[in-house]
Amino acid sequence: DAMVIQNPRYQVTQFGKPVTLSCSQTLNHNVMYWYQQKSSQAPKLLFHYYDKDFNNEADTPDNFQSRRPNTSFCFLDIRSPGLGDAAMYLCATSRDGTGGRATEAFFGQGTRLTVV
Amino acid sequence: LAKTTQPISMDSYEGQEVNITCSHNNIATNDYITWYQQFPSQGPRFIIQGYKTKVTNEVASLFIPADRKSSTLSLPRVSLSDTAVYYCLVGDNPNQAGTALIFGKGTTLSVSS
Repeated sequence: DAMVIQNPRYQVTQFGKPVTLSCSQTLNHNVMYWYQQKSSQAPKLLFHYYDKDFNNEADTPDNFQSRRPNTSFCFLDIRSPGLGDAAMYLCATSRDGTGGRATEAFFGQGTRLTVV
Repeated sequence: LAKTTQPISMDSYEGQEVNITCSHNNIATNDYITWYQQFPSQGPRFIIQGYKTKVTNEVASLFIPADRKSSTLSLPRVSLSDTAVYYCLVGDNPNQAGTALIFGKGTTLSVSS
């Protein structure tokens, strides 16, 4: 059974048209992450939540926003997608252990975003 | 944030043991070392995590020397299905709530028959 679910798997959006990607989890994990992964590159962390505490990576563009209304759901909003934002977007969850150490992270299948 | 360095790529044949080494010279005292595997068009998958010496599970072994400045992921008897990208991660500031998982460039392992 899927534990981290991302919808949709494929998303096509128009240049400049806001788009929202969603992620849900059944693991009750306290940490949720959003990554951007472009072809032949490593996943790049955009931001992560520890419960409701939001942590933005320094180089994440303002064009990317996120919401976590409850433990199970997290959303990635791209306010004005550009051609350079076409990528796979990955959601992941983990449960922080003793001393803040992240335990095993579980990833969703990803949403592949195309900007036309 | 501890930076990791891995070989960009490795080639192997089915049935061989593969060892992928990761350097993390500025690893912090409380940092753990974690390895992930990623297949094309899929999210990364956790393989193994360790702090020191040796850790083994049903998939792999992780060797960490006493100085912890490097680690080696060992895959016994690889098969074609082990062809993937392997990432070594070292934990971010453990005192900050919510550990940031930062991926380095990874090692692309290609297994041939």
